[in-house]
Amino acid sequence: AQTVTQSQPEMSVQEAETVTLSCTYDTSESDYYLFWYKQPPSRQMILVIRQEAYKQQNATENRFSVNFQKAAKSFSLKISDSQLGDAAMYFCAYRSRFGETSGSRLTFGEGTQLTVNP
Amino acid sequence: DARVTQTPRHKVTEMGQEVTMRCQPILGHNTVFWYRQTMMQGLELLAYFRNRAPLDDSGMPKDRFSAEMPDATLATLKIQPSEPRDSAVYFCASGPGTSGGVVQETQYFGPGTRLLVL
Repeated sequence: AQTVTQSQPEMSVQEAETVTLSCTYDTSESDYYLFWYKQPPSRQMILVIRQEAYKQQNATENRFSVNFQKAAKSFSLKISDSQLGDAAMYFCAYRSRFGETSGSRLTFGEGTQLTVNP
Repeated sequence: DARVTQTPRHKVTEMGQEVTMRCQPILGHNTVFWYRQTMMQGLELLAYFRNRAPLDDSGMPKDRFSAEMPDATLATLKIQPSEPRDSAVYFCASGPGTSGGVVQETQYFGPGTRLLVL
């Protein structure tokens, strides 16, 4: 079974600065997806960025980018030019690429609460 | 802007009462997921449907929970009888499904139903 670990329960950053959230995972599979979801106080889950394991290039979405280290099973999220609206709980998630049932199940980490200070 | 919708957004009920939560997946999506989020357990998958058929409900307590998809535009999660330990946020998510055994795209989450059982 796959596991996802976020070792930082809380992080804080100054507005306009850069912050990196850590995530590690454990799997025996070679092909999979990794995601970062954002959950603001509204509790809605919002997809921030995703990475296909078979792609070596790190995914980027505007101010959000990842550092995907497949051999180390590490998947960190970097937020540049942090904004007050970035304050939220961030979840790292894993999903297999193949399979009818296991392939669609998202496995989540424990979450990292990000505070952005003005 | 296609979104997953959930009703009600908030529900307060007394122990022993029936609770029904509803989800409207994004039009055209054929996979629907129910997740539960609590402080203690984090995010857990309860059930997963594809083409309205349940594929995996191993995460759901069978004695009191039931999940159905009466049609392609409606998924329901029922708890009967409800208990205080069921208090949580329940998320519905939908996705385009699989093609050739390969999981496609991403799960899109609804805003959640916050349930409080007194």
